[in-house]
Amino acid sequence: SQTIHQWPATLVQPVGSPLSLECTVEGTSNPNLYWYRQAAGRGLQLLFYSVGIGQISSEVPQNLSASRPQDRQFILSSKKLLLSDSGFYLCAWSAGTAVSGYTFGSGTRLTVV
Amino acid sequence: KNEVEQSPQNLTAQEGEFITINCSYSVGISALHWLQQHPGGGIVSLFMLSSGKKKHGRLIATINIQEKHSSLHITASHPRDSAVYICAGGSQGNLIFGKGTKLSVKP
Repeated sequence: SQTIHQWPATLVQPVGSPLSLECTVEGTSNPNLYWYRQAAGRGLQLLFYSVGIGQISSEVPQNLSASRPQDRQFILSSKKLLLSDSGFYLCAWSAGTAVSGYTFGSGTRLTVV
Repeated sequence: KNEVEQSPQNLTAQEGEFITINCSYSVGISALHWLQQHPGGGIVSLFMLSSGKKKHGRLIATINIQEKHSSLHITASHPRDSAVYICAGGSQGNLIFGKGTKLSVKP
């Protein structure tokens, strides 16, 4: 069966520090991978999605970046965190067809102080 | 105006009540998803539907493609149903999310 792992669950980082959140998927190949952010009091917003290794599409300009070094690994990074980067980050995967279901990771709650 | 609108934004119910959450969308979608987000933040996919109606336990989801409207119903609600329910439209390989409905079921 397919599973998705996301870590860490909670992170407190100072302003200006780097960030690396990791997401891995098991039990499937060539998944579509997504990074979403949920800021306090707001809905989920797509940050990045990837349809294959090394293929990254960005939806929102920001100081975050994403990479997909392996088929089932998706990494969200920042060189220097801002206070506004605080939020709840979710990784998800889908098979990528028009009616594919989505499976979400457990999320990372990031607080930038 | 959001492409996916949910109502109500907040909902408080007594245990046992029948609950309805509504979702309207203004974009073309290939499928409509209902998601449940618990206080810890984790999200679970409840339903994905492109037509008609689906039922899982006490949860029922319906969609009217012509009216671009979907509803999520919970029968015999229970405090453990308390969560944020999110509607999302699947389009071009991505999801467009509503802002969620926060449901609180009191014992």
